[in-house]
Order: sequence, then C-alpha cells, then structure tokens
Amino acid sequence: DAGITQSPRHKVTETGTPVTLRCHQTENHRYMYWYRQDPGHGLRLIHYSYGVKDTDKGEVSDGYSVSRSKTEDFLLTLESATSSQTSVYFCAIRPQGGNQPQHFGDGTRLSIL
Amino acid sequence: EDKVVQSPLSLVVHEGDTVTLNCSYEVTNFRSLLWYKQEKKAPTFLFMLTSSGIEKKSGRLSSILDKKELFSILNITATQTGDSAVYLCAVETRGGAQKLVFGQGTRLTINP
Repeated sequence: DAGITQSPRHKVTETGTPVTLRCHQTENHRYMYWYRQDPGHGLRLIHYSYGVKDTDKGEVSDGYSVSRSKTEDFLLTLESATSSQTSVYFCAIRPQGGNQPQHFGDGTRLSIL
Repeated sequence: EDKVVQSPLSLVVHEGDTVTLNCSYEVTNFRSLLWYKQEKKAPTFLFMLTSSGIEKKSGRLSSILDKKELFSILNITATQTGDSAVYLCAVETRGGAQKLVFGQGTRLTINP
C-alpha cells in the first residue's frame, strides 16, 4: 500500500462545469503525477510535481491545471469540463532514492455528459 | 517523440500455457523500463529493468531487456486464471521527475 488516496472515486458531471480531483499521500513523497487512461492509449501524463508549488506539464496538459500547496495533496482541475475529458484518472507517487518505481492510486472514473 | 509499443494488444490462452508479451520503445534519455499489472483498479508494479541481458524473475513471471534492439519481453509460465489482467510496459526517462511513457497495454485472458 503506497498510502495514496484519490477522491472522488467516481464523478458524473456536465460539460462546462469545473471539476477538481484530489490526490492525497501520507508518506511525504516529493514526486507526484497525474495520468489519464483511455482505451487504446495506455496511461498518458497530464501534469507532475516535484515539490510544493513546483509543477510542470506532461504530454496531454491542455484543459487541465494543477496545484500543490502542501506536500501531501496534489489537485487536478478541469476548469471547464468537456466530453473528451471523460476518462479514468490516476495519481502516482515516486519514492526518492535509488531505482524506485512509481506507485499508483486506485483511480477516479470521471464522466462528462 | 517518445514512443512505447506493446504487442499483442490482446491475447487469449488456456490455463497452463506459457505466454510472451512484447514491448518495444523509441525514447530519448532512457533510464529504465517497467512492467505493471492492472486488474480492476491501480496498476501494480512487477519489474524494473535497467541493464541489458539480466533477467528479473518473480515466481512464474520473468522479464528481460535488450537495450541494443530497444525491446523487452515479459514471460509468464504455467498461466493461471489469476494472471488475467492488462499488462502495461512503461519507459522511464532521465531527468529530475523521471517521467513514464506507457505503451497501450496487452489484455491477457486466461481461460480455465
């Protein structure tokens, strides 16, 4: 158990509404990541963070923003949700030191109608 | 553009069979290659490979990396129904955040 909690686990909302997904970790890891998973695409990196207030874009960042005001929380925001953002969203952490793999949360299933 | 390609995309076999899953990559600043297993929820870590030719093994699963030909294979022997899952290959890039680039995944179904 990597101590990662994603919330909500499921959400259905309408096009044009703002949505915020939360990733909470309990082990003070520096590196945190947001991915989306869609059929035929595997997981694709949206944004990542390498510390409090330090974030950067991944390969599919358009339409998303992130914030990290505390080590333990990494928030992903869809300012104005679109149907193309219907997906399963995974948060990951990577422990520091040596060769350490990323570990994933259980995901948030988001449907935009 | 960094790319990871897995094959086959889908595979159905009978319990007891041996399967080989493939992963090829074209990535700048390669650091390592990882395999994950995904059942209903979170991908779970299987192997991390950094050196060519050194087999990693865990029970009936094993994996090897060829950095010259830019591919890796994941072998599962004596398959069981509990091995049914999507197997994800990812390449980790060098740099501070060590990002992952994923393949599309291979959906493996083991029939009793």
